[in-house]
Amino acid sequence: EPEVTQTPSHQVTQMGQEVILRCVPISNHLYFYWYRQILGQKVEFLVSFYNNEISEKSEIFDDQFSVERPDGSNFTLKIRSTKLEDSAMYFCASSEALPHTEKLFFGSGTQLSVL
Amino acid sequence: AQTVTQSQPEMSVQEAETVTLSCTYDTSENNYYLFWYKQPPSRQMILVIRQEAYKQQNATENRFSVNFQKAAKSFSLKISDSQLGDTAMYFCAFMGVTDKLIFGTGTRLQVFP
Repeated sequence: EPEVTQTPSHQVTQMGQEVILRCVPISNHLYFYWYRQILGQKVEFLVSFYNNEISEKSEIFDDQFSVERPDGSNFTLKIRSTKLEDSAMYFCASSEALPHTEKLFFGSGTQLSVL
Repeated sequence: AQTVTQSQPEMSVQEAETVTLSCTYDTSENNYYLFWYKQPPSRQMILVIRQEAYKQQNATENRFSVNFQKAAKSFSLKISDSQLGDTAMYFCAFMGVTDKLIFGTGTRLQVFP
């Protein structure tokens, strides 16, 4: 089965530093998402991305966050100035069409630890 | 706003037995989709089963089936013939007119030999 690939699997950073989390969605997919899961809590939606623009974002996704699809294959999440509360597992997901009709594939996640 | 509630933080079942995980949701939308995701210790999110609200027939996928009660806004997952590999966190999720998933808090399932 095709896979969504996320790198790195674990990232440690100092508070206030910028981080970029990388994702390679499945090649023919058109819809892209970031979710996050703080340890022991539920998975939360951050942002959806389609046709090279954000289609929806949550309250969590403030000005410190941005997403890009720079080269047609990678899909990145940037956090400009990390805070302690940004420590979480970040999941990238993609689907061929809207996930109502097509399966949403999740990556294995990047565990971000902010010290 | 939509909410998803999973009232069982933890469940356990013996191998080969059947277990049912509960989920309720709240929405004012009429067309929506419901999902169960499995998160094993590796923490990857794996789709178990999906249900379209406009379909009256309950979805099934091998040993996994749902009991979808639209009027009661209930969406429970039944796992038959439980296997050790079913040990995981299970999340119920809702998707309405937008394409974002709203997750419940999860139920940790332990399958004992």
